[in-house]
Amino acid sequence: KAGVTQTPRYLIKTRGQQVTLSCSPISGHRSVSWYQQTPGQGLQFLFEYFSETQRNKGNFPGRFSGRQFSNSRSEMNVSTLELGDSALYLCASSGQGASTEAFFGQGTRLTVV
Amino acid sequence: QKEVEQNSGPLSVPEGAIASLNCTYSDRGSQSFFWYRQYSGKSPELIMFIYSNGDKEDGRFTAQLNKASQYVSLLIRDSQPSDSATYLCAVTLWGGSEKLVFGKGTKLTVNP
Repeated sequence: KAGVTQTPRYLIKTRGQQVTLSCSPISGHRSVSWYQQTPGQGLQFLFEYFSETQRNKGNFPGRFSGRQFSNSRSEMNVSTLELGDSALYLCASSGQGASTEAFFGQGTRLTVV
Repeated sequence: QKEVEQNSGPLSVPEGAIASLNCTYSDRGSQSFFWYRQYSGKSPELIMFIYSNGDKEDGRFTAQLNKASQYVSLLIRDSQPSDSATYLCAVTLWGGSEKLVFGKGTKLTVNP
């Protein structure tokens, strides 16, 4: 059974640019959650999508957005990048959402210069 | 009070010892609790989950849950150098809709 796939693995962007990250969940999983991980803040919840609907959102500015497609694949977009957006972005796939086991992809390492 | 709290460590134990990792959470309504292991430069890996009060054992790992005290722990018996990693506690919190919230993790080092 294939795991969670995130692309790309690494990205370098310039301040002010925008970026789109992709996540393909485990087959049959309908929930995809996104997290930002930095050394100082740990894993912070961005948002969760379930069956193409955003079910929950963390405390991030509106520059961070996402969507989910009918095949459960999800994308996350960050507009007007800031240096502080440099982080490891992780997506987690689960069958039903936050109360069930979640499995992470390898992450996308974003560096903003 | 932070939603999910862990001692940041580092926690250092000798090989063969029992490592004890602790986590407290703020939401009395939480029903689902998870432990993840994260090696340096890697993504978190689910190692245990527990939903009911008491102990749950899986190999060398035991998760313990006490909902009355809002406390969950992970014991690693016969610790090995390969267990050296950061251990993340995650709890499902409610606030209109549920979300999985992580503690900042405890870094464990097992010394040969």
